[in-house]
Amino acid sequence: NAGVTQTPKFQVLKTGQSMTLQCAQDMNHEYMSWYRQDPGMGLRLIHYSVGAGITDQGEVPNGYNVSRSTTEDFPLRLLSAAPSQTSVYFCASTAGGAEAFFGQGTRLTVV
Amino acid sequence: AQSVTQLGSHVSVSEGALVLLRCNYSSSVPPYLFWYVQYPNQGLQLLLKYTTGATLVKGINGFEAEFKKSETSFHLTKPSAHMSDAAEYFCAVMRMEKEYGNKLVFGAGTILRVKS
Repeated sequence: NAGVTQTPKFQVLKTGQSMTLQCAQDMNHEYMSWYRQDPGMGLRLIHYSVGAGITDQGEVPNGYNVSRSTTEDFPLRLLSAAPSQTSVYFCASTAGGAEAFFGQGTRLTVV
Repeated sequence: AQSVTQLGSHVSVSEGALVLLRCNYSSSVPPYLFWYVQYPNQGLQLLLKYTTGATLVKGINGFEAEFKKSETSFHLTKPSAHMSDAAEYFCAVMRMEKEYGNKLVFGAGTILRVKS
């Protein structure tokens, strides 16, 4: 099983550029979410989705956009990259039994 | 609002010694509780979880945790540390209510160092 697949694994952007981080899961989970991980701050929720067509903001949504057109995919868009968005990004999907499955992460550097 | 506090950003133990990583949470309703482990340059892997029932939960790699409602704690322990346990550990809480989307709230993490 592929589980949760994130692409790309690494990315360098210039300030002001936009890009999309891809996330796909093959477990038919309803719930998907995006987190960013910064040293000493744990993982903070950016956006989440409770099903296709339904998304909502998490703790740190500014500068990011999401959509959920299918159950499988939950892309995260950076609208205009800033150095403060340098981070490691994780996508997760959650089954009804509450265990979250995480992707391997995308390490993003904004210069 | 839920929050999770992990006491100690870095913990160092000798190989073979007891591992104790502390986690306290705040939640207005009984939450689900988790410990995740992250090895360098990898994603998060579930160690164990508490949902309902027995308050002492056993996980992978010899770890266990005890849910203490009166203390709002969910500390992680392992009787004897191994070099391969060196990693970062995250405690997390989830409210199982549909409108919250099964959101996880994470602590800041504890880096465990194991000395030979």
